[in-house]
Amino acid sequence: QVQLQESGPGLVKPSETLSLTCTVSGGSISSHYWSWIRQPPGKGLEWIGYISYSGSTNYNPSLNSRVTISIDTSKNQFSLKLSSVTAADTAVYYCARRVPYCSGGSCYSLLDVWGKGTTVTVSS
Amino acid sequence: AIQMTQSPSSLSASVGDRVTITCRASQGIRNDLGWYQQKPGKAPNLLIYAASSLQSGVPSRFSGSGSGTDFTLTISSLQPEDFATYYCLQDYNYPWTFGQGTKVEIK
Repeated sequence: QVQLQESGPGLVKPSETLSLTCTVSGGSISSHYWSWIRQPPGKGLEWIGYISYSGSTNYNPSLNSRVTISIDTSKNQFSLKLSSVTAADTAVYYCARRVPYCSGGSCYSLLDVWGKGTTVTVSS
Repeated sequence: AIQMTQSPSSLSASVGDRVTITCRASQGIRNDLGWYQQKPGKAPNLLIYAASSLQSGVPSRFSGSGSGTDFTLTISSLQPEDFATYYCLQDYNYPWTFGQGTKVEIK
């Protein structure tokens, strides 16, 4: 049973860089794609981006060039860095596994396993 | 980015009720849509993928339908454990976008 666990500082100062790690256990990170999603307090979900096992990435343009997702297959971990943070980046951050499902010539993506989430507060 | 609009934003229902939540995309997304359930303080949980396919382990009272721009999540007989917030998510193109959520509350 694959499990994901987010880790990192719970408090980040404005203008600094938020850094989180997601550790994958119970399975290899080298066989799927991996995503980050966040949820501001009392609000909905926002997709941040994904990274493949080979290191290709795709990010939400709303975060401009502030986001970087990387992968370390030797540690079975992937990471999120978000630079120049403001109070608007205060949120619960989730990591999730993205798996493909193909049928009838079409392929879909599912977020089938999620971490429990970690709360990050941006404040001085 | 594709906008996903859910309705209603919230609803009150009783155990045993049939509940329907809709999700409308700002452009056609084939059937590249999933539904997720989130309980307070917990991570979202996948219910439906490819608009109508039931995720393994999810009770059969949950069903999804739709294609193109209009989608529906139906709970055929609401159970106490179903009171939660439900989100749709389009994976047709990037950036993936969620609906704003529908909170299902006890009547």
